Amino acid sequence: RKEVEQDPGPFNVPEGATVAFNCTYSNSASQSFFWYRQDCRKEPKLLMSVYSSGNEDGRFTAQLNRASQYISLLIRDSKLSDSATYLCVVNPVFSGGYNKLIFGAGTRLAVHP
Amino acid sequence: ETGVTQTPRHLVMGMTNKKSLKCEQHLGHNAMYWYKQSAKKPLELMFVYSLEERVENNSVPSRFSPECPNSSHLFLHLHTLQPEDSALYLCASSQDGTPGYNEQFFGPGTRLTVL
Repeated sequence: RKEVEQDPGPFNVPEGATVAFNCTYSNSASQSFFWYRQDCRKEPKLLMSVYSSGNEDGRFTAQLNRASQYISLLIRDSKLSDSATYLCVVNPVFSGGYNKLIFGAGTRLAVHP
Repeated sequence: ETGVTQTPRHLVMGMTNKKSLKCEQHLGHNAMYWYKQSAKKPLELMFVYSLEERVENNSVPSRFSPECPNSSHLFLHLHTLQPEDSALYLCASSQDGTPGYNEQFFGPGTRLTVL
């Protein structure tokens, strides 16, 4: 089983739609979780950190379910500019004095007019 | 300059060449990372430096050699690469100190093509 699993998509949605991505992780001792956004041929950029059961930032809501070991990202009122790949990232355990992040392969979102 | 910078942005090299990738972070962080991203694959962690000391070498071939002269600079020295090493090489930094709560910030990457 992969450490972090995501549906690769693509998710093709019209502008204004609500879309949700799920991500599952294998290490139940994982400490923290992140969603990064990566545009085509660019670097990943931090979208949201998820430290407790979840948090909200404008149109974006992240939720964490530790019992089922999954994280979700909900995007409301999709914009064309939301088109990107969304990476689920898990910080398993703090070891060796640094934080090791495990990246999922990403879910592609394409928002069309 | 702000954030994390990388040079060069693009590099084409032959299998017998030697080149170096450079990364500089302007965030005052104490940890730096090299990742490799191949097409349609997740980011693969290559090396980690924490407080200028290498703390992880993720089974990377010896044709990749990292160097961290201080907490702001990180290099990746390349020699006798193979075509399958063609990928996007990303540098990242973070402020480590609190377990589990340190986001990493990425540079724009170097797109490497090995002929």
